[in-house]
Amino acid sequence: SQQGEEDPQALSIQEGENATMNCSYKTSINNLQWYRQNSGRGLVHLILIRSNEREKHSGRLRVTLDTSKKSSSLLITASRAADTASYFCATEGLNTDKLIFGTGTRLQVFP
Amino acid sequence: NAGVTQTPKFQVLKTGQSMTLQCAQDMNHNSMYWYRQDPGMGLRLIYYSASEGTTDKGEVPNGYNVSRLNKREFSLRLESAAPSQTSVYFCASSVGQFSYEQYFGPGTRLTVT
Repeated sequence: SQQGEEDPQALSIQEGENATMNCSYKTSINNLQWYRQNSGRGLVHLILIRSNEREKHSGRLRVTLDTSKKSSSLLITASRAADTASYFCATEGLNTDKLIFGTGTRLQVFP
Repeated sequence: NAGVTQTPKFQVLKTGQSMTLQCAQDMNHNSMYWYRQDPGMGLRLIYYSASEGTTDKGEVPNGYNVSRLNKREFSLRLESAAPSQTSVYFCASSVGQFSYEQYFGPGTRLTVT
């Protein structure tokens, strides 16, 4: 069963705009991770945020985590056509040693 | 550093045939994983190996077997392929079992007719 659910399922924006994707999950977690998948490729890790952290930055990426609402968001600022990809959140639950992936958000950035 | 490599990239099988998907990593990682990805869905864990010599079932293990051949290699075997196993298969590895990022291979696209 899927732990994380991303919202929206698809997002289309123009270059230079910001893109925000949300992830909701059901059970308590140790950490939450975001991955990117370009079409026909494997997943690439973007950011890991632990349950005791509220915000992390990496370049143009900003991730927030609200454990009280069981939700996370990924913000990509000043998007580029090269950011076009699917983005997945993955959660590591308490007392588990596995990542559970959501269904992903397909982001299209138009030049 | 090749990272995580998978062979083959594409495969077509007939129902009932068997095959082994190969995965190798050169990052000296302890943990390795096999996932499948179906259209419009996230990845689902088939089997994983927390360390050399151990394997455990994931979310969807039925119809599959795995072998952790050594620290570098983790293979996935389909003994009797079924159309429901048509999917893209990804191998991944991580330094350890908990709270580590996973590194993914390029995937194997399998079609069972």
